[in-house]
Amino acid sequence: NAGVTQTPKFRVLKTGQSMTLLCAQDMNHEYMYWYRQDPGMGLRLIHYSVGEGTTAKGEVPDGYNVSRLKKQNFLLGLESAAPSQTSVYFCASRTQGVYNEQFFGPGTRLTVL
Amino acid sequence: ILNVEQSPQSLHVQEGDSTNFTCSFPSSNFYALHWYRWETAKSPEALFVMTLNGDEKKKGRISATLNTKEGYSYLYIKGSQPEDSATYLCAFPSREYGNKLVFGAGTILRVKS
Repeated sequence: NAGVTQTPKFRVLKTGQSMTLLCAQDMNHEYMYWYRQDPGMGLRLIHYSVGEGTTAKGEVPDGYNVSRLKKQNFLLGLESAAPSQTSVYFCASRTQGVYNEQFFGPGTRLTVL
Repeated sequence: ILNVEQSPQSLHVQEGDSTNFTCSFPSSNFYALHWYRWETAKSPEALFVMTLNGDEKKKGRISATLNTKEGYSYLYIKGSQPEDSATYLCAFPSREYGNKLVFGAGTILRVKS
């Protein structure tokens, strides 16, 4: 099992450009999450999904969109990148059951110039 | 608003020292506490999921205890090694946002050889 994978690992964008980050998991997990991690701050939830075809806003959703067309994939889109979106993005997934741990991907380091 | 606090913020110890960190969380409506280990340039890795008051879990030289009535958990590392250097995060499942994890800011551990 590959677990949770993310592509790309690194990306540099210019302000106003768009891009999509891909998260894939092969553990048949229902729940998937997108977090961002910034210096001095904890992991903050951007969007999440509780199953195929569903998405919902997290704490900091502005400037991002997501889609979960297939159970194993959770895409995070930036329509018009801004320097404030420079961050490390982590995807995570888990099974149903609130005690269950979340499995994290390796992260995507995004810089917006 | 759920608040998870960790102390100390950072810790520098010598190889062979034993150390411990604290995680404080809301004691009301408790149902689980997660500990994660996060090495630089890698993804967070789950150490323990703790659910019962008085729980004590162990993995090698790392152990954790839980007090749900007073709202704290301790993580202990016995005989620290350089490979233990990482950020140690605790997280508390929220009842919103798909039971997202509310993370503390982490304790950064550096073990010198």
